Formats: sequence, structure tokens, C-alpha cells
Amino acid sequence: DGGITQSPKYLFRKEGQNVTLSCEQNLNHDAMYWYRQDPGQGLRLIYYSQIVNDFQKGDIAEGYSVSREKKESFPLTVTSAQKNPTAFYLCASSNRPDTAFFGQGTRLTVV
Amino acid sequence: DQQVKQNSPSLSVQEGRISILNCDYTNSMFDYFLWYKKYPAEGPTFLISISSIKDKNEDGRFTVFLNKSAKHLSLHIVPSQPGDSAVYFCAARGNTDKLIFGTGTRLQVFP
Repeated sequence: DGGITQSPKYLFRKEGQNVTLSCEQNLNHDAMYWYRQDPGQGLRLIYYSQIVNDFQKGDIAEGYSVSREKKESFPLTVTSAQKNPTAFYLCASSNRPDTAFFGQGTRLTVV
Repeated sequence: DQQVKQNSPSLSVQEGRISILNCDYTNSMFDYFLWYKKYPAEGPTFLISISSIKDKNEDGRFTVFLNKSAKHLSLHIVPSQPGDSAVYFCAARGNTDKLIFGTGTRLQVFP
């Protein structure tokens, strides 16, 4: 089946630790995105990538890092510098300007 | 500075009637506008989109209207069904592939 897979669905992290969220797509899409959603809030853009080996900061990139070494993969690392990392993280991909498709999300909780 | 705004946090509509969800934007360079439906703890589902060169796009029960001079778009759902109850997000995209979301409107359709 074609689609976007985010893993894991739930993730727990101790304060001060880095953690990496996985996002894989087999749709052959060039563009990929990472968003964060907090309770009762909208989707805020963390990073996006238009093509392999290139990515741009979104509106809330501080404390996060990404890589785009392969077209199908866009992992997000939440570093210890992110002051409030507990949130619902969503990955999306797109190959047309009029659509974009999302994965099912990863809920990260700092314990 | 929020470039995409959904000023109504919630909307309640009777089953069978029309639901109208509104979205305003500030950047006249946006080329495409997208609407998504989202359930809690799930990824958003793409509904419908519109190009900035059009003023209307229709797909089944969903119609999106774009008023470029007012920088305003709306999503009409007719007839509304209980299964439509969810949070609806509008999003906008310019020529950089950056996809920006509004804060969402929670729609409740009651019998």
C-alpha cells in the first residue's frame, strides 16, 4: 500500500535526551513536512524539504533538526534544546501544489 | 504574524443543514488553498483544494469558495452529516512549497 508511515505512534523521552521520529513515504513525493500540534492548537510548521539533500526551517525550528538523505525518508530529531517537546508530531508529503498527505502522527511525551 | 487565520474556534450545525467554515489569509502570494478534516490523535485528511486562479471548486458535498480581493475562503458542506463532526483546518501554499495552516474550527453536527 502506498502512504506515509510515522513511527512510533507513542514515544516517551526523559528530559535532556534527544529523540528521533521516523517518517517514511513510498509515494515518490518530492516535498516533505514536519508539523507540531499542541492541545487545542493548529498545526505549526517545524521544517520542510522540497528535494533530497535540501530543507528549510519552518516557523518553530528551534530545538529541532532534520535530514533528507533519501527521497522517501525525512526523520525529525527533537533535541534537548527544545524546551517544551511534549506534543503531537505530524509528517506530510506532497508532489503537487494542490494536495499534501499526512501520516498518522507520533505523540511524544517527556517524562 | 499568523498568515492563515480561522477566527471561529467552533461551529454547531444541525444535521442536513449547511456548514460554512471560514478562513482568512494575509499573503497575496499564496497560490493554492487546501482544506483538511482532522480527528483527535490522527493525521489530517485532505478534503478539497482551490487554485488562486479560480473562485470555486466543488467535490460532492464539499465546495470551496475563494474571494481574492477579500483574502477570504470558505468551505461549504451540504448537507451536513454527524460524521462530519471534526476539526477543520485550512492551509495555504505559495511558490516555495511552504504549507501554512490555520488554527482550525471544530464542527459539531447534531441530529
